Amino acid sequence: NAGVTQTPKFQVLKTGQSMTLQCAQDMNHEYMSWYRQDPGMGLRLIHYSVGAGITDQGEVPNGYNVSRSTTEDFPLRLLSAAPSQTSVYFCASSYSKGRGTGFREKLFFGSGTQLSVL
Amino acid sequence: TQLLEQSPQFLSIQEGENLTVYCNSSSVFSSLQWYRQEPGEGPVLLVTVVTGGEVKKLKRLTFQFGDARKDSSLHITAAQPGDTGLYLCAAAYSGAGSYQLTFGKGTKLSVIP
Repeated sequence: NAGVTQTPKFQVLKTGQSMTLQCAQDMNHEYMSWYRQDPGMGLRLIHYSVGAGITDQGEVPNGYNVSRSTTEDFPLRLLSAAPSQTSVYFCASSYSKGRGTGFREKLFFGSGTQLSVL
Repeated sequence: TQLLEQSPQFLSIQEGENLTVYCNSSSVFSSLQWYRQEPGEGPVLLVTVVTGGEVKKLKRLTFQFGDARKDSSLHITAAQPGDTGLYLCAAAYSGAGSYQLTFGKGTKLSVIP
């Protein structure tokens, strides 16, 4: 039972470099999302997707791109890394996107990617 | 953007003591979830509360949803070292942004044997 798989586990970048954080789920979940977690800030939503081909911005989308070409994969791209993007990144998925009256679905989280930008 | 406040931010108690963590919103939420996170891992869902006034119990953990649906609490009875972790509340709101969860900043609990 793989669940939500994130790679890499750790990454160090230099300012200006680009990279992609990978996220894959094997549960046929409709909804996928990316969060960043910073000390004292909780989890903040970066981008989310309610199905293949559909993405939308969350609370802190600047500096990040996403795409959802398949149900299973939801990669997060940093085009030009900045020190402010140093954080722990979590991918999460749920079976359903909900009914639009308030998200109440169970989120399944990956184990995170710790990213440092020097 | 809705504001979700969680308190206290840190809590250090002795094994066997009781504790309560609070989660308050500036707006009415349609549902609220509580997650627990251990170091190096992603959060894991503990409970979802939907109805105002609702109370749910999970062994020694009691979750309550306020009548006005703007607050929630998590009470742990006779805390054990295994309860140590980061507790996060996450609120859902209807209307704009209804496919999103807003997380509180978390309560870091340490239970000392």
